[in-house]
Amino acid sequence: ELKVEQNPLFLSMQEGKNYTIYCNYSTTSDRLYWYRQDPGKSLESLFVLLSNGAVKQEGRLMASLDTKARLSTLHITAAVHDLSATYFCAVVRGYQKVTFGIGTKLQVIP
Amino acid sequence: DTAVSQTPKYLVTQMGNDKSIKCEQNLGHDTMYWYKQDSKKFLKIMFSYNNKELIINETVPNRFSPKSPDKAHLNLHINSLELGDSAVYFCASSYVQGPTNEKLFFGSGTQLSVL
Repeated sequence: ELKVEQNPLFLSMQEGKNYTIYCNYSTTSDRLYWYRQDPGKSLESLFVLLSNGAVKQEGRLMASLDTKARLSTLHITAAVHDLSATYFCAVVRGYQKVTFGIGTKLQVIP
Repeated sequence: DTAVSQTPKYLVTQMGNDKSIKCEQNLGHDTMYWYKQDSKKFLKIMFSYNNKELIINETVPNRFSPKSPDKAHLNLHINSLELGDSAVYFCASSYVQGPTNEKLFFGSGTQLSVL
């Protein structure tokens, strides 16, 4: 059974600081996604990572994938309050079988 | 235009009742899903349909029955509701193969509260 673990589960950081969220998964996968969820809202797709060494960046967020280590990272650069949300990684293995991590709740303090 | 829309947004009901949640997508996707998000925010897939055909059926009580009248709709019917069914239910859709690399587009969620 595929297991997806994220850490940290909670992250409180000051504006302007950098930090990384980690996502480990237990078996080989086909793709990895990062999603963002604002409180009481739906999930929004951030990145899709397809292959080993893939790196995607948008704004202050950068995601990378190391399939050999079964690890993805979501790096936050110079955090701003608008980035406060819960971030989920999700791993696909097999036909459309998407397994989500438990989420990392990020709070950026002004 | 809302891409994935689900109704109702909130559903409060008594134990033992039967209720339905509806979902529609106008993205032309061929695959639709139901996910359950519990109070700890953990997201777990329940069902997946591709072109009206059931593809994924996770270990979900058979009180939950999905119905897909066409590939743009996937409804969720729940019989004999229990307290433990209280959660947020998300509908989602995707292409199996396509330019969006199968990323999921989520509806806004239905918060179900069973009293």
